[in-house]
Amino acid sequence: AQKVTQAQTEISVVEKEDVTLDCVYETRDTTYYLFWYKQPPSGELVFLIRRNSFDEQNEISGRYSWNFQKSTSSFNFTITASQVVDSAVYFCALSEAKGASKIIFGSGTRLSIRP
Amino acid sequence: EAGVVQSPRYKIIEKKQPVAFWCNPISGHNTLYWYLQNLGQGPELLIRYENEEAVDDSQLPKDRFSAERLKGVDSTLKIQPAELGDSAVYLCASSPSINTGELFFGEGSRLTVL
Repeated sequence: AQKVTQAQTEISVVEKEDVTLDCVYETRDTTYYLFWYKQPPSGELVFLIRRNSFDEQNEISGRYSWNFQKSTSSFNFTITASQVVDSAVYFCALSEAKGASKIIFGSGTRLSIRP
Repeated sequence: EAGVVQSPRYKIIEKKQPVAFWCNPISGHNTLYWYLQNLGQGPELLIRYENEEAVDDSQLPKDRFSAERLKGVDSTLKIQPAELGDSAVYLCASSPSINTGELFFGEGSRLTVL
C-alpha cells in the first residue's frame, strides 16, 4: 500500500531562517511520482513540484529546494531565508506513475514564519 | 484564466439534512476530482471523473454520497442525509491530463453538521 508520512506536525521559525520539511513515503511501485503542495490560509492547494522516481537529481527553484533520496524513501523540502509569506500548510504526496490518477497526500506540516 | 470555482464556501446544516456542493473546473480540464479534507489531515480522494465518466469512485460512501458531472464540465457532490462526521472541507480539483499529477484546486466548501 502507498503511504506518505510527514512526521513534523508544526514548525515555527523566525523569518530569514532556513527550514526543512521532511517527507517519507512507502510504495511497492517501481515507478511513481512525488509532489509537494502548499495550502495557504485561503485553503486553495497550490502545486509546487513533481518529481519522477527515475530522477533523483535535486531541484532548486529560487528559495525552494527539494532533496529526493530513493535509498531512504525521502523527499524533503527546504526553504532558504524563509519569509512570512511562506507560512502555510505543506503537503507531500505520492502517486503511481501511470496516469498519476490517484494521489495520496500526507497529513501536512504547518509552517509558521515569525517576523 | 479563471481558477476552479466552488460554492458555497461555507455551509452549516443540521444532521439528516441534505447538502450539495458545486464545482466549475478550469476550462478545458477534462479530469475533475472531489477530495475530502478533515481538520489537520491531508486531502483524501472521493471520486475522479474523466469527462462525464466516474473512473474512480471506490472511496465514495455510496449510501449517502452521490456525484454527477452530466456534461463533462461542472460537477455536483451531494450528501443525503448528512451526519455529524461529515463535517469537513470538500475540495474540488481539475487537471488537463491525468498524466501530470498537477492538480488545480478550488478554495473548498467547508461543511459543518450540527
